[in-house]
Amino acid sequence: NAGVTQTPKFQVLKTGQSMTLQCAQDMNHNSMYWYRQDPGMGLRLIYYSASEGTTDKGEVPNGYNVSRLNKREFSLRLESAAPSQTSVYFCASSDPPGTGDNEQFFGPGTRLTVL
Amino acid sequence: GEDVEQSLFLSVREGDSSVINCTYTDSSSTYLYWYKQEPGAGLQLLTYIFSNMDMKQDQRLTVLLNKKDKHLSLRIADTQTGDSAIYFCAESGGYSSASKIIFGSGTRLSIRP
Repeated sequence: NAGVTQTPKFQVLKTGQSMTLQCAQDMNHNSMYWYRQDPGMGLRLIYYSASEGTTDKGEVPNGYNVSRLNKREFSLRLESAAPSQTSVYFCASSDPPGTGDNEQFFGPGTRLTVL
Repeated sequence: GEDVEQSLFLSVREGDSSVINCTYTDSSSTYLYWYKQEPGAGLQLLTYIFSNMDMKQDQRLTVLLNKKDKHLSLRIADTQTGDSAIYFCAESGGYSSASKIIFGSGTRLSIRP
C-alpha cells in the first residue's frame, strides 16, 4: 500500500497563476482532508470531504476549491495564486467518524511558493 | 471556537525525559492525539487517548490527561536523537464532528548531547 500520495512535491508559481494539487489514497478511507502548514501556526484545515460526493469548508477555505473525484482522489485547486498561499500543503485521509480512532494518515506534502 | 495550544520549543539532554504539554478548550473532545512530524515529512500518529481515560502508556511514551483542566501531556522517557521532531497535540470532538481534528501549533523538540 502506498498510503496517501501527493503530487507535485514542489511547485513555484507566479501571482495569478492557477494550479491543482493532486492527492490519492489506497486505504479505502471515506474521509479526506486538505491542510496548510505555516511556521508557528500548526495545521489549518482548508477543506474536507467526509465521504465521496461531499465537500465542506474548513477553517481557511478562501482562495481554494476542491473536487472529490472519486473515493480515492481529492484535489485542491488554486484559481489565482497569491503570495499569501505560499505554504506546505498536506492531504490526509481517515476512516469515517465513529468507526475507529479517527486517525488521519498524511501524505508527504507539497511545498508551494508563490512569487 | 475550539483551540489547542502548546509551547513552540523544547530542548532536552539525550537520555533525559521530555515532557510536552498542551491545553485545549473543547470540553466535548472525544479523542486527543499526539502526532510526530519529522523534517520534510507529513504527520504520523504517535499515540492517542480517549477522553474517558487519564493515562496511557506505550513503551517509552506516557500520555496524561487532566480533563478537568483540559491539559494533555506527552512524556518521552530516555529521549534519543531520533526523537528530534515537531510534536503536534490535536483533538477531535464528538462523533458528529469527528471528521475534523484541531491541531496545535506544534512543539519542536531538540536533543542536546
